[in-house]
Amino acid sequence: NAGVTQTPKFRILKIGQSMTLQCTQDMNHNYMYWYRQDPGMGLKLIYYSVGAGITDKGEVPNGYNVSRSTTEDFPLRLELAAPSQTSVYFCASTAIGTAFEAFFGQGTRLTVV
Amino acid sequence: DAKTTQPTSMDCAEGRAANLPCNHSTISGNEYVYWYRQIHSQGPQYIIHGLKNNETNEMASLIITEDRKSSTLILPHATLRDTAVYYCIALTLGGGSNYKLTFGKGTLLTVNP
Repeated sequence: NAGVTQTPKFRILKIGQSMTLQCTQDMNHNYMYWYRQDPGMGLKLIYYSVGAGITDKGEVPNGYNVSRSTTEDFPLRLELAAPSQTSVYFCASTAIGTAFEAFFGQGTRLTVV
Repeated sequence: DAKTTQPTSMDCAEGRAANLPCNHSTISGNEYVYWYRQIHSQGPQYIIHGLKNNETNEMASLIITEDRKSSTLILPHATLRDTAVYYCIALTLGGGSNYKLTFGKGTLLTVNP
């Protein structure tokens, strides 16, 4: 049972480059979330999705895009990377049937230089 | 969803009970109280949740006051591995919910030998 899998675990980007952070879950959860966590700070919600084809902005969506074409996958796209996007990114999933217990991935540590 | 207020930090001696308070004075009748914790550099982990009644599982107990304006998470025998940031979240499930799972600043619990 893999749970929530995030790739890559680490990445260094140059300013202006773009990349996609991958998130996959194998629990058939309909709710998925992307968070960022800056050093010493709490988690901030970037985007979330309540099902395939449905996404919505969280607290800090600027500079990011998401899509949800399947139940399993919820990729996060960074266009024109900036140093302010240096952070640890967490993906999570949950479902009503699990009493809304959210499962988190191990995180992607991104550095923009 | 209702705002929650938690102390910034707390200390606890190893082997003693850790009691973590949370204030949610504006909570509405259909909002659940959820607790998560985040051990350094890992993704958050679900602990427990409740609506009105006290709840207990293998990890912790949740005591919700009768007026539901505050709650306490109890770790009965804290160990060094319980050192983490603990988050209290009020979340509406069901009709009218946007399922926007957000985290505040939480309480840093340090368990001392």
